[in-house]
Amino acid sequence: DQQVKQNSPSLSVQEGRISILNCDYTNSMFDYFLWYKKYPAEGPTFLISISSIKDKNEDGRFTVFLNKSAKHLSLHIVPSQPGDSAVYFCAASWDNQGGKLIFGQGTELSVKP
Amino acid sequence: DAGVTQSPTHLIKTRGQQVTLRCSPISGHKSVSWYQQVLGQGPQFIFQYYEKEERGRGNFPDRFSARQFPNYSSELNVNALLLGDSALYLCASSLLSDTQYFGPGTRLTVL
Repeated sequence: DQQVKQNSPSLSVQEGRISILNCDYTNSMFDYFLWYKKYPAEGPTFLISISSIKDKNEDGRFTVFLNKSAKHLSLHIVPSQPGDSAVYFCAASWDNQGGKLIFGQGTELSVKP
Repeated sequence: DAGVTQSPTHLIKTRGQQVTLRCSPISGHKSVSWYQQVLGQGPQFIFQYYEKEERGRGNFPDRFSARQFPNYSSELNVNALLLGDSALYLCASSLLSDTQYFGPGTRLTVL
């Protein structure tokens, strides 16, 4: 049972435009959501997080939006840069206690110059 | 500051063998979690250890075990290796109520 889903395996965007990565979840008990970026041969790198009491969190070029009623979150990258090309994973947990994260399958973002 | 470190980087084993993977957390982090990432999928949770105690376990067989040492480093052991155990094994550390930070992983190939 896939509790966290990223339905787009890949996304291609022009440099300078907006990248929107989407993630859906099924478990309404999830309380905390995160986005990680992963380059080949490296571990996932934390990007940004949001708790369920918020609907938006922003950090520089990265903004995460949470729609609890739709059980949907999205990551916006503006403007996109070629160095953003990587696999992006969304993850969810029941708390922020360093424990079990449930990951989506990942979306490979390609930002073209 | 050093991030999470893992050793070895790569490992090749044959079916039926046993393997031990090692992880050193970020200084000051007392929680360590292990994940398995199979190609094309997201990481799957295996274990969490905090203050040397198991705090959570994922849906993995008993062939998988782990422990945490007094210096908060951790080992993941897998016995009786199967071809399906071939994966990237990731370690993440955190303060208990904080974001998890991942190491570079150990790539295990089972032949």
